[in-house]
Amino acid sequence: DAKTTQPPSMDCAEGRAANLPCNHSTISGNEYVYWYRQIHSQGPQYIIHGLKNNETNEMASLIITEDRKSSTLILPHATLRDTAVYYCIVRVAGNQFYFGTGTSLTVIP
Amino acid sequence: EAGVAQSPRYKIIEKRQSVAFWCNPISGHATLYWYQQILGQGPKLLIQFQNNGVVDDSQLPKDRFSAERLKGVDSTLKIQPAKLEDSAVYLCASSLEASPTSAQYFGPGTRLTVL
Repeated sequence: DAKTTQPPSMDCAEGRAANLPCNHSTISGNEYVYWYRQIHSQGPQYIIHGLKNNETNEMASLIITEDRKSSTLILPHATLRDTAVYYCIVRVAGNQFYFGTGTSLTVIP
Repeated sequence: EAGVAQSPRYKIIEKRQSVAFWCNPISGHATLYWYQQILGQGPKLLIQFQNNGVVDDSQLPKDRFSAERLKGVDSTLKIQPAKLEDSAVYLCASSLEASPTSAQYFGPGTRLTVL
């Protein structure tokens, strides 16, 4: 039970912003939204997380809707090295991560 | 800061053999996780440790899989005997604490092939 829905794949032009959507309509009030990415043959890499406020760090921005039923990960200036599978995860009670199948982002030169 | 270390990176065995994987978490991280990632799927949690105690092993196939973290630092995951369907990448992750705000940091994984 991944609790999140993501498009299976997306393309983005190099240098443009990549906006990756995620639906989590059954999220509970105290469950955090996490984003990870996995580049081929590597372990998942932490990107960002949030509860209800928008968050920004050196890698990305996370926009969470007011009703918390969806969120968007924004990579402001995508590079070829951002090509990866991006996982949106709702961290349920008990501290577990349920990874779905994620969105495969391809950055095109 | 050193990341999560795992070894070996690759392992090929025949079915019914046994195999063990080792993980060294980030220094000071109390919580350690083992995940299984089958090709084309997201990682699936197998077991979670808090220090040297098991917090959650509900998805660990206990008839063949075992894991330990005796001194609350390093951990080993063992499969005995291995089956063909155990072919996967085994990922270790650690977090500072077992808290919803504490991110998990993953190692590079061990790719297991069972022939």
